[in-house]
Amino acid sequence: AQSVTQPDIHITVSEGASLELRCNYSYGATPYLFWYVQSPGQGLQLLLKYFSGDTLVQGIKGFEAEFKRSQSSFNLRKPSVHWSDAAEYFCAVGAAGGGNKLTFGTGTQLKVEL
Amino acid sequence: GAVVSQHPSWVICKSGTSVKIECRSLDFQATTMFWYRQFPKQSLMLMATSNEGSKATYEQGVEKDKFLINHASLTLSTLTVTSAHPEDSSFYICSAGSGTSGRPSRNEQFFGPGTRLTVL
Repeated sequence: AQSVTQPDIHITVSEGASLELRCNYSYGATPYLFWYVQSPGQGLQLLLKYFSGDTLVQGIKGFEAEFKRSQSSFNLRKPSVHWSDAAEYFCAVGAAGGGNKLTFGTGTQLKVEL
Repeated sequence: GAVVSQHPSWVICKSGTSVKIECRSLDFQATTMFWYRQFPKQSLMLMATSNEGSKATYEQGVEKDKFLINHASLTLSTLTVTSAHPEDSSFYICSAGSGTSGRPSRNEQFFGPGTRLTVL
């Protein structure tokens, strides 16, 4: 069965600082990987996704993520964080042929200090 | 594109009543829709997978008689919480997956804004 681990429950960064949110997955074959962001009381917005090809994926809002098969990781990065980035971030993994079914990590709450 | 709506956005009901939540894909056809439940400050837990024209597939531990799912068309799925109790209070989120129209792309889900259910 596939699983996702987000080791950091909370992260606090200063505005303008760089950010990296960690995500490790467990899956037997090539996974489909996603990062979503959720603002309080809202649904999820897709930041970026990896299906195949270039392992460095660019997303919206200046986010990027790198797929590292050897480390089973898909960490999310942003070079300069804005106060509006404060939210909950979820990493998710889907299986090829899995019929769109996703497994989510427990999430990382990002706080941005001004 | 790929917009998913949910209605209502929040609902308060009395214990013992039933509540219906609608999930609509506005600009694409979704053969598969998913229903999630999210407790405060926790992750999304998949409740069931809803396929148009067939019975929903429920995850282990989810009471199918309590959480009735209907996916009558390619753009609408409904979740009915029957005989709701305070422990059913939660944030319910739906999502829609790839459809016959070719959008969204494979394995991608588009999420609705969620429905906050409070059972008194």
